[in-house]
Amino acid sequence: AQKVTQAQTEISVVEKEDVTLDCVYETRDTTYYLFWYKQPPSGELVFLIRRNSFDEQNEISGRYSWNFQKSTSSFNFTITASQVVDSAVYFCALSEGITSGTYKYIFGTGTRLKVLA
Amino acid sequence: NAGVTQTPKFQVLKTGQSMTLQCAQDMNHEYMSWYRQDPGMGLRLIHYSVGAGITDQGEVPNGYNVSRSTTEDFPLRLLSAAPSQTSVYFCASSRLNTEAFFGQGTRLTVV
Repeated sequence: AQKVTQAQTEISVVEKEDVTLDCVYETRDTTYYLFWYKQPPSGELVFLIRRNSFDEQNEISGRYSWNFQKSTSSFNFTITASQVVDSAVYFCALSEGITSGTYKYIFGTGTRLKVLA
Repeated sequence: NAGVTQTPKFQVLKTGQSMTLQCAQDMNHEYMSWYRQDPGMGLRLIHYSVGAGITDQGEVPNGYNVSRSTTEDFPLRLLSAAPSQTSVYFCASSRLNTEAFFGQGTRLTVV
């Protein structure tokens, strides 16, 4: 069955520290997509990145980087030199369906990141 | 560009009352979905649709109905509200397996 696990419920770091948010997924499909979203205190959901199951290249965007490892079914997110504005809840998500025909787009339980000044 | 429009933003219901949360998108997305967000539970999929006339159940469908008569609209119906349905509800739309666009959310309280 499809599942996304974010074991870290809450993380607190001091500004300028690096922090990694973990995401482990389960799927039976061979073609699937992984995502990260940010939910700041204002409540809206902001898309950060999309990865397909055939592209295991790591990606870097400014202070953000993502590490996708199919061997461990993980898609981890690292923020380098964290800032107070990074304080938010971060969600990992999984979308599948090309193989199974059931296009469920599900989310993990989220990790609340607090960056202290 | 309106994106995903979700109404109302806030609602208080009495137990047993019914209501419909409205969701409309103007991006011609085939995929639309409803989630509820509860503390510590993340976003849980209630129902989803891959196109007009097609709906399916998500992770927590009990107590909710949906329909998709047009590409644009995907309303969520609570037939008999219960306190356990107190939550924040989000509607989303996307192309299949792509970035989801979310509405602003509806904070629903059932008393």
